[in-house]
Amino acid sequence: GAGVSQSPSNKVTEKGKDVELRCDPISGHTALYWYRQSLGQGLEFLIYFQGNSAPDKSGLPSDRFSAERTGGSVSTLTIQRTQQEDSAVYLCASATEGLAGGEQFFGPGTRLTVL
Amino acid sequence: GNSVTQMEGPVTLSEEAFLTINCTYTATGYPSLFWYVQYPGEGLQLLLKATKADDKGSNKGFEATYRKETTSFHLEKGSVQVSDSAVYFCALSDPTGTASKLTFGTGTRLQVTL
Repeated sequence: GAGVSQSPSNKVTEKGKDVELRCDPISGHTALYWYRQSLGQGLEFLIYFQGNSAPDKSGLPSDRFSAERTGGSVSTLTIQRTQQEDSAVYLCASATEGLAGGEQFFGPGTRLTVL
Repeated sequence: GNSVTQMEGPVTLSEEAFLTINCTYTATGYPSLFWYVQYPGEGLQLLLKATKADDKGSNKGFEATYRKETTSFHLEKGSVQVSDSAVYFCALSDPTGTASKLTFGTGTRLQVTL
């Protein structure tokens, strides 16, 4: 069956531009997570969705970052006015439910480079 | 807050050598513990997990035991193969939070040579 997919796989943008990153979770998974993997910070949590609501946005680094999820499925992470420090691999994961012991299934990531 | 500390890499071993990657954690409550692996060019995938104290997770010859008294979850394998070369991440999920989000260690790169 299909796993978590993300698009684009690579994105190069200029400083100050807005970008949108897309995540298609595994069908039927109600929990969806965004993480960021960067050289300086390792793997860090950004935001969690349960259905279409986001009860935990505590990892979003600034108000330039936002995310939404529609239809309990696809999620979009938007970064406005990108900065060079936003360069990283953005990972999406989904899970059947948002349970602490549950397995999260990761997508291949979107590599974002801000010039 | 929650945190995970794992040994610095890279770790370089010869094939058939014994592997230990240390992982310790700090968390409120009783977290679930995980090892995720990232093979070259691939995404993160779950290797094994343990959800309560003294549980042992195992998969593909790898094992880790949840030790509450030492707050540790060390990864071990008796005989590594070249195909085990990857980056290994220790992680926890804290059930007292609202999100079951994962807190990761910094990752340990393993290189296995013939």
